[in-house]
Amino acid sequence: ETGVTQTPRHLVMGMTNKKSLKCEQHLGHNAMYWYKQSAKKPLELMFVYSLEERVENNSVPSRFSPECPNSSHLFLHLHTLQPEDSALYLCASSQLTGGTEAFFGQGTRLTVV
Amino acid sequence: AQKVTQAQTEISVVEKEDVTLDCVYETRDTTYYLFWYKQPPSGELVFLIRRNSFDEQNEISGRYSWNFQKSTSSFNFTITASQVVDSAVYFCALNSRNTGGFKTIFGAGTRLFVKA
Repeated sequence: ETGVTQTPRHLVMGMTNKKSLKCEQHLGHNAMYWYKQSAKKPLELMFVYSLEERVENNSVPSRFSPECPNSSHLFLHLHTLQPEDSALYLCASSQLTGGTEAFFGQGTRLTVV
Repeated sequence: AQKVTQAQTEISVVEKEDVTLDCVYETRDTTYYLFWYKQPPSGELVFLIRRNSFDEQNEISGRYSWNFQKSTSSFNFTITASQVVDSAVYFCALNSRNTGGFKTIFGAGTRLFVKA
């Protein structure tokens, strides 16, 4: 496999459920990101991991909990979400050098009911 | 403050027309990077080009060309002889040299429809 792979592609969950999104990259990158893409809103950077350490947390509610067990894998654990959390969640990776382009997965389309 | 503005929300053209997507950015940093990404219906953002702030040369890649002008803080993207497969959302993005993180700021995107 190559590139950035996200699973699942689609997820419907109730507000009381707990679920996790998974991201895997096979590019040898050492930085990984979670973005949220809502309808009619710019891409929002949620979390950044650099060398498996979280370096950015953009005021994201605690019902979103990221985990980066190694440089190839990134998870986003979801708990007690709200309907407004429904969005496309995109994972990306890049090399640590500033200004390098990011490579994105196809995203997980999340619907909270 | 950093900001990327893509004023065109949607553009619709007929195949073979040329189309320019506008991007205006704001940053106080002297070293920064600009990007264009394409998001087809499948969802993933596909990297198209990167420019650093010290390189104002325009670039052409096949039917794609980019015009970077620091004087107007713009980084416009032109598709020549558009094709239906060009239909997608296009994002302009800015990454500046700041400490403590690797922030890439995205514009709101321009949705391009190319009709056959």
